[in-house]
Amino acid sequence: GIQVEQSPPDLILQEGANSTLRCNFSDSVNNLQWFHQNPWGQLINLFYIPSGTKQNGRLSATTVATERYSLLYISSSQTTDSGVYFCAVSSTGGFKTIFGAGTRLFVKA
Amino acid sequence: GAVVSQHPSWVICKSGTSVKIECRSLDFQATTMFWYRQFPKQSLMLMATSNEGSKATYEQGVEKDKFLINHASLTLSTLTVTSAHPEDSSFYICSAALRAGGWDEQYFGPGTRLTVT
Repeated sequence: GIQVEQSPPDLILQEGANSTLRCNFSDSVNNLQWFHQNPWGQLINLFYIPSGTKQNGRLSATTVATERYSLLYISSSQTTDSGVYFCAVSSTGGFKTIFGAGTRLFVKA
Repeated sequence: GAVVSQHPSWVICKSGTSVKIECRSLDFQATTMFWYRQFPKQSLMLMATSNEGSKATYEQGVEKDKFLINHASLTLSTLTVTSAHPEDSSFYICSAALRAGGWDEQYFGPGTRLTVT
């Protein structure tokens, strides 16, 4: 089945810093989503982005489907950005969603 | 829009008892619902895919007789953990797929933390 790798596994930032999170996948996808899991466990949809670039406030994402990776950019990080960021994909022709292991982010005040 | 609720948010039960978890899409009809399990500091693992009116599709290694899934309507799916044991203690999360613009985007419930004593 499709493999999803996220990097880095852990990230500590000073408030105000920028960061880039990466998601590599092993096969073509028809669905890619980025989520933020807050400290209470709630998964929050950030982007649906099987290809192209999207921006929402301080967050933006780019997926290069032909090269099988996606990037999540966080600018001017805030302490409330802390949590785990997951990339999840569904392979072309499939419906099952596979999650990466996540990037655990901690933003220091 | 696209809100998914889960009930209960946490539950403690004794070993050998059964626990039912409800997942509802509040403001949309879900083509498909999914059930995940998450252990501490780990990723989400898909347990089963559920479509309204049909039997759930379980992932390899998930016991279908232990984790009973009923998808009664386009807005409600339930997961029953039967004869729960301490190793079933985990965070259970459901999601509902919303079809829009030709694709399915998943929206997640807040999760249910199960502790079996």
